[in-house]
Amino acid sequence: QKEVEQNSGPLSVPEGAIASLNCTYSDRGSQSFFWYRQYSGKSPELIMSIYSNGDKEDGRFTAQLNKASQYVSLLIRDSQPSDSATYLCAATERDSGYSTLTFGKGTMLLVSP
Amino acid sequence: DAGVTQSPTHLIKTRGQQVTLRCSPKSGHDTVSWYQQALGQGPQFIFQYYEEEERQRGNFPDRFSGHQFPNYSSELNVNALLLGDSALYLCASSLAQGSHGYTFGSGTRLTVV
Repeated sequence: QKEVEQNSGPLSVPEGAIASLNCTYSDRGSQSFFWYRQYSGKSPELIMSIYSNGDKEDGRFTAQLNKASQYVSLLIRDSQPSDSATYLCAATERDSGYSTLTFGKGTMLLVSP
Repeated sequence: DAGVTQSPTHLIKTRGQQVTLRCSPKSGHDTVSWYQQALGQGPQFIFQYYEEEERQRGNFPDRFSGHQFPNYSSELNVNALLLGDSALYLCASSLAQGSHGYTFGSGTRLTVV
């Protein structure tokens, strides 16, 4: 059974710090990986996708993928109180609209002013 | 360009009743997937519809059924509701042929009492 594991948190960081969120996955066939942000009571919002080993940067966000270790991470630089949310890691077995997302339980991030 | 729309936003039902949730996909998308998100959990895949047929199904009982219409909109039906069916139900649309791109609706909050 495909599984995506995340620490539930909460992860507490002060404003301006770097928040590091981690995720592991069980299915070696997974090809595509995603980080979603979900505010309480709202739907998930895609913030990063990554398909190849290494780092991918987008503004304050950096996603890191290590397929050999089956490990995905998300770094948030200069964390802001508005970043406080639950971050969901998700994986799919291929990059197509037919694929389905397997989600972790999410890590709650709290950024204190 | 309209995103994914779901209705209703909130719903309260009694155990044993039946419920129908609706989803209109993002313009240009032809594939609809449904997810159930219980409180404090990540979204769990229910099923996916493409060309009016169920293509994939997650580990959900037959009480959960769906339909896709020629205009790509979709319904999720749940029969014989249980208290444990209380959750946020998310619809995600995508394009079957092409690179990954899931768009989530705002969800329907179902409460079973």
